[in-house]
Amino acid sequence: EDKVVQSPLSLVVHEGDTVTLNCSYEVTNFRSLLWYKQEKKAPTFLFMLTSSGIEKKSGRLSSILDKKELFSILNITATQTGDSAVYLCALFKAAGNKLTFGGGTRVLVKP
Amino acid sequence: EAQVTQNPRYLITVTGKKLTVTCSQNMNHEYMSWYRQDPGLGLRQIYYSMNVEVTDKGDVPEGYKVSRKEKRNFPLILESPSPNQTSLYFCASSLDRSRTEAFFGQGTRLTVV
Repeated sequence: EDKVVQSPLSLVVHEGDTVTLNCSYEVTNFRSLLWYKQEKKAPTFLFMLTSSGIEKKSGRLSSILDKKELFSILNITATQTGDSAVYLCALFKAAGNKLTFGGGTRVLVKP
Repeated sequence: EAQVTQNPRYLITVTGKKLTVTCSQNMNHEYMSWYRQDPGLGLRQIYYSMNVEVTDKGDVPEGYKVSRKEKRNFPLILESPSPNQTSLYFCASSLDRSRTEAFFGQGTRLTVV
């Protein structure tokens, strides 16, 4: 059975700190790994990773995939209160056309 | 504005009373799917559709039905809702099966009493 595990479950930081979120998986033959940010409503897309070792960056956020060690990390530098959210990791498999989500990491950034 | 629209946003209903949650997207996306989100279990796929008249089961299809009669709409039907279907539901769409960055609707919080 496919499994996606995110850690930590939640964390609290202060503005300006750096956070690193982990997504480990036991999924075979997936096409891509995706990160989403979920505030009070719908998840919004952040990154899609398909190749191992290539970092993707968007402003203060960056992410990388390690297909050998079966994990991905999402980094947020110089955190702001607006970064407070649940961050979701998901793997997409072409077979079955489905996204398998992890349980999410809740991040709270305090002023 | 490109979006996925779900209705209603909140719904409280009684056990056994049939209900439909609508989902509509204005991006001409081929691929649509429904998820439920429960504490500790994350998002789990209920059903998906790769195009008009093409639907298939996801991980947790029991107790749900869907239809895809037109490209933009993908309603979720609960014929006889039960309390274990109390959850937060999301509809999502993406351009096609190879474009995996799905766009999500705003969610429907369903409570079955």
